[in-house]
Amino acid sequence: EVQLVESGGSLVQPGRSLRLSCTASGFTFGDYAMSWLRQAPGKGLEWVGFIKSKTSGGATEYAASVKGRFTISRDDSKSIAYLQMNSLKTEDTAVYYCTRGYRDLGYWGPGTLVTVSS
Amino acid sequence: QSALTQPASVSGSPGQSITISCTGSSSDIGGFNYVSWHQQHPGKAPKLIIYEVTNRPSGVPDRFSGSKSGNTASLTISGLQAEDEADYYCASYTSSRTIEIGGGTKLTVL
Repeated sequence: EVQLVESGGSLVQPGRSLRLSCTASGFTFGDYAMSWLRQAPGKGLEWVGFIKSKTSGGATEYAASVKGRFTISRDDSKSIAYLQMNSLKTEDTAVYYCTRGYRDLGYWGPGTLVTVSS
Repeated sequence: QSALTQPASVSGSPGQSITISCTGSSSDIGGFNYVSWHQQHPGKAPKLIIYEVTNRPSGVPDRFSGSKSGNTASLTISGLQAEDEADYYCASYTSSRTIEIGGGTKLTVL
């Protein structure tokens, strides 16, 4: 059974950094791209970015709203995808989800809450 | 403001059919067959219900179907059931190698 579990969410001050993890199981992690999306309280979904599999070149792409501040990486030996978030802003407050794939967003984790506030 | 436009809300009675539209451009929906639909119940994570425009993952009832015409994708739910009440989001790959997400549609089962 495919499972994705996000972790690392917390309350953080504006301007600080935070790293989220997405631990995967139930499939060959290295064969798949991984994506991150977020949902601000009471709002719709917003795509954050993705990282392709190493066999597909490992390229990353990001939404304009986070480009230059957020970085997605992966550790295939641990089946973990990471979202490094720097220079956090109050508008980054959201539940962050990881998903398997990038064009289909096939499986979703339960999400982890990031609150950016002083 | 989302690049993909969905109606804010739709409603239907049990047993009826409803269709949710998702309008984009030739740079996203019209240019690729990578449109997906996601169902989200309150307080829960989204769930994929349609991928690559028309395909259903295993376990998704065949009451759910997807289609595309030009720059507009559609999700149709037939034989509406109370448990279908949820928010629905469309998503599309784009020519900029990004993913656009629609603003979401709240489905109310009357």
